[in-house]
Amino acid sequence: AQSVTQLDSHVSVSEGTPVLLRCNYSSSYSPSLFWYVQHPNKGLQLLLKYTSAATLVKGINGFEAEFKKSETSFHLTKPSAHMSDAAEYFCVVSRGSYIPTFGRGTSLIVHP
Amino acid sequence: EPEVTQTPSHQVTQMGQEVILRCVPISNHLYFYWYRQILGQKVEFLVSFYNNEISEKSEIFDDQFSVERPDGSNFTLKIRSTKLEDSAMYFCASSESRAGANYGYTFGSGTRLTVV
Repeated sequence: AQSVTQLDSHVSVSEGTPVLLRCNYSSSYSPSLFWYVQHPNKGLQLLLKYTSAATLVKGINGFEAEFKKSETSFHLTKPSAHMSDAAEYFCVVSRGSYIPTFGRGTSLIVHP
Repeated sequence: EPEVTQTPSHQVTQMGQEVILRCVPISNHLYFYWYRQILGQKVEFLVSFYNNEISEKSEIFDDQFSVERPDGSNFTLKIRSTKLEDSAMYFCASSESRAGANYGYTFGSGTRLTVV
């Protein structure tokens, strides 16, 4: 079985400060992990993915995530938040024939 | 960049009516999925489709739901007799490989279904 937990339902940061969105997963096998972003009234856009290659994954818009097997984590970070980063972020886990499982989402709020 | 296209973007229907939500996956993708997101809740898996048949489905995907790929390009979700609780955003997705191992899953923009 697999599951994913996004530890924060809301994260609030000031523009220009670092962003950290936390995700922990549970999977019986080596997982594939993804981060998706959903802007208001928009679809889901892939930010980045981990599929057993490099543990530090770089994505679009300056985001990156590090796969830490010992901590079963895949936290999303960005050095400096921009107003346009305000959105809902979803951590997703899948493995083999398992269907991708979504976390509950983290709403990122960026203050000017 | 290739996109998954969903139509319509919004659909309002009366309770008990049938609705068909349409999706055009990326042309070389082989695996297709439907998800839904009830307002304020998590994104939930409904069904996956491969080689012209359902490969997996969730408990949500009961007899009132059906999927088909009628013409080799479209991928549709039909809800036979809509209920108020079917109101949600429905997302279609496709992937080139099983579990999205190579390139992940590409999602459409969603269809917001409102049942009144």
